[in-house]
Amino acid sequence: GAVVSQHPSWVICKSGTSVKIECRSLDFQATTMFWYRQFPKQSLMLMATSNEGSKATYEQGVEKDKFLINHASLTLSTLTVTSAHPEDSSFYICSARGQISNQPQHFGDGTRLSIL
Amino acid sequence: SQQGEEDPQALSIQEGENATMNCSYKTSINNLQWYRQNSGRGLVHLILIRSNEREKHSGRLRVTLDTSKKSSSLLITASRAADTASYFCATDAGGYQKVTFGTGTKLQVIP
Repeated sequence: GAVVSQHPSWVICKSGTSVKIECRSLDFQATTMFWYRQFPKQSLMLMATSNEGSKATYEQGVEKDKFLINHASLTLSTLTVTSAHPEDSSFYICSARGQISNQPQHFGDGTRLSIL
Repeated sequence: SQQGEEDPQALSIQEGENATMNCSYKTSINNLQWYRQNSGRGLVHLILIRSNEREKHSGRLRVTLDTSKKSSSLLITASRAADTASYFCATDAGGYQKVTFGTGTKLQVIP
């Protein structure tokens, strides 16, 4: 089945650091990629939707200058948390959808980000 | 909020029993999906049911969809301890539309 690889799986860094998370579709072309954030014991909240070659669409309340999303190719999207602070600590999950719009999204394994 | 609601929020059953989780949503959909998430891990896709389908089976899983009531249910039969996880429904309007996740049901299966 389709595979989405997310890297790194776990990051611990100091406050003020910028952190980049990669999301790759390994065996299909991801027309659209999605970035989610999940707080402990809560559901996934969509942060932004990115289509290859265009600017990401951010959900209400998500700071686009804080969470930079780049979807430069059909197999790679990156999320950069700029100048991260402890409140940015969370579980970040990406997903990718191929060109067939009625097929489900495929999820990465997530990145646990801890800001000290 | 467009987020779906799931109930129960938490469910604890004995191994071998059946587990039923319900999901209600608010908008029209192309399909509805159920996912499982083990603690601290990503999501595993379980089953997809399209808006023109009413019931679907996959192994010990049975999903129903009632678009008139905007609700779905997931039944896990003969539960096992390994089924312990959180289960989320997700509604998909298709195309470039976002997938919206429900609040989730935390299932504990006691050996």
